[in-house]
Amino acid sequence: DAGVTQSPTHLIKTRGQQVTLRCSPKSGHDTVSWYQQALGQGPQFIFQYYEEEERQRGNFPDRFSGHQFPNYSSELNVNALLLGDSALYLCASSSRGGNQPQHFGDGTRLSIL
Amino acid sequence: QQQVKQSPQSLIVQKGGIPIINCAYENTAFDYFPWYQQFPGKGPALLIAIRPDVSEKKEGRFTISFNKSAKQFSLHIMDSQPGDSATYFCAATREGGATNKLIFGTGTLLAVQP
Repeated sequence: DAGVTQSPTHLIKTRGQQVTLRCSPKSGHDTVSWYQQALGQGPQFIFQYYEEEERQRGNFPDRFSGHQFPNYSSELNVNALLLGDSALYLCASSSRGGNQPQHFGDGTRLSIL
Repeated sequence: QQQVKQSPQSLIVQKGGIPIINCAYENTAFDYFPWYQQFPGKGPALLIAIRPDVSEKKEGRFTISFNKSAKQFSLHIMDSQPGDSATYFCAATREGGATNKLIFGTGTLLAVQP
C-alpha cells in the first residue's frame, strides 16, 4: 500500500521563476494538505484541498496556489519565487474531509538561488 | 492562541535513558495532539497521538502524558535507543474545525548516545 508520494525530490530555481510540486495521497485518502518547513523549524500550514476545492489557507501570500484533481492528487504552485521560499514542502493526506491522522510524504526540497 | 510551544530545543541522553519533551498550547479548542518523528531527508511520521479525554497513552516505548488544566502535554521515550535519534515535533489541531490543520511546535532534536 503506497503512502504519500511527492515529486520531484529536489528542485533548484532562481528568483522570479515559477515552480509546480506534485503530491499523490495515500490510498483511500481524499484530502490533501500542504505545509512549508523551513530549516530547523516545524511545518507551517499552507492550505488544504478537499473535493477539489481549497478549504482554508494559512498565512501565505497569493503567490502560493494549488489544485486538486478528481483522483485526489494535488499540485502546489509558487509564482515569483523569493529566496525566502527555500524550504522543504510537505504534502499530507487524510480521509473523510481532513479527519486525523494526517500522513506525510518525504517532501520536495526547493532551493532558490 | 494558535501557537504550540515546545521544549527543549535539543536533548542528549545515554542509551536506556528516558528523554522527555514538553509542549504547551493556548487554544482550548484544540482536541487532538499528535507527536511526529522526523529523520533527516524524510517527512514527519506519526508516532502517537492523544485526545484530551485521557491523561496518558502508551504505545510501545512511547508515552504521552496530558494535563488538560495546565494545557500541557509531553512525550516520554522509555529505554531510548540510538535509532530513536531524530527530530520530534508535537502538534495540535481542532478535529471539528474547518480543515483540521496541524499547528506544530518548533521541534526537539534528540540524540541518543550508545
